[in-house]
Order: sequence, then structure tokens, then C-alpha cells
Amino acid sequence: KQEVTQIPAALSVPEGENLVLNCSFTDSAIYNLQWFRQDPGKGLTSLLLIQSSQREQTSGRLNASLDKSSGRSTLYIAASQPGDSATYLCAVSRSPLFSGGYNKLIFGAGTRLAVHP
Amino acid sequence: SQTIHQWPATLVQPVGSPLSLECTVEGTSNPNLYWYRQAAGRGLQLLFYSVGIGQISSEVPQNLSASRPQDRQFILSSKKLLLSDSGFYLCARNVGGGRGNEQFFGPGTRLTVL
Repeated sequence: KQEVTQIPAALSVPEGENLVLNCSFTDSAIYNLQWFRQDPGKGLTSLLLIQSSQREQTSGRLNASLDKSSGRSTLYIAASQPGDSATYLCAVSRSPLFSGGYNKLIFGAGTRLAVHP
Repeated sequence: SQTIHQWPATLVQPVGSPLSLECTVEGTSNPNLYWYRQAAGRGLQLLFYSVGIGQISSEVPQNLSASRPQDRQFILSSKKLLLSDSGFYLCARNVGGGRGNEQFFGPGTRLTVL
């Protein structure tokens, strides 16, 4: 059974710091890994998707890496800003070929990030 | 653009009352659609998914049901709500092909059962 763990559960940093959020998963047979952002009371915003054949993806100040063999992914946020404050969720999926044609995501519990001025 | 709408945004219902939450998708045809629940202190849990009209699969046994009467409409229902049905309900769709099955979420419905 796939389990996803995110460390730390909460993080508070001053503005401008570079930071790393960690995600680990127990079954390395994943199809892709997706990082999301969730603001309080809101839906999830997709940040980055890394397919199993990829090692990393970048979008602006965000960089996500994937080491499938060790079951780990990191989300790197450069030069953090107060607007980055949110909960960050990591989710993995198996291939739709083995999931009845759909993309079941298994989520971690998230890392709650606070960036203070 | 591809957009997911959820209605209502918030809902307060008494125990034993019926429930109907609606999700509609724009800008895409034949999407895979999903219902998730996010309960307080717990992670996101997949409840139902649908690969087409009238096709519903359930992930966990529960007090809820889902229906897909139209290609871009996904409905979550209950005949009698329980206290444990409280939570944040999220509808999602995925994009296949070159987007690697990336999943996108709607704004959610906050349900409180009293």
C-alpha cells in the first residue's frame, strides 16, 4: 500500500530564505508525482508535475526533484515571500494502465509554510 | 481555458438531511472526474471517480453516492447525512496525453453537518 509522508509538518521562515520541503513515498512504482499549493479554505493549485521518467521540473522560483529509486521528492522554493505562505501537498499516482484508466492520487498530509516579513 | 466549478461554496446541514453537491467542468470533453474529501486533521481521500457518463467507481464504502448525468457534470449525493460527512469536498479532473495525467482541482465545498 502506497504511503506518502511530508516533512516537516510546519515551517516558519523569514522572508528571503531559500527552503526545501520533503516528500517520501513507500512504493517506487509511481507514474507521476505532483506538488500542490492550498491556501486556507481554498482548493488545490497544481504547482509542478514530474513524470516518472523525469528528474526535475522548474517553474519560476520553484524547483521540484524526483528520485524514484529512493522514494523521495523535494520542492525547493527560492527567495521565499510572504505570498508563498500556504500548505504544500505532495501526491503520487500509479499508471492508469494499472488503475482502471484513472489517475488515483495518494496524498501526503502536507507542509504548512509561513513566511514572515 | 479549462475551469472547474463547484456549487455551493459552503453548506450547513442537519444530521439526516439529504445532500447534493455539484461539479461542472468547462473547456474539455470526456474528462476523468474525481470527488475527494478533506476532513479536519486528515489528508485528502479519494471518494469516487468517473471515466464517462453513467460510469462511477467508489474507492471507499460510505454514506455517499455519485452520479454523472452529463459529460461535464459530476454530482455527489447522500440520502441521510451523518456527522462524519462534514469536511471539505473537492472535485477534480485530469489532463492526459502530454500533460502526464496532471490533475486539477475545483474551489471546493465546505460541508458542516450539525
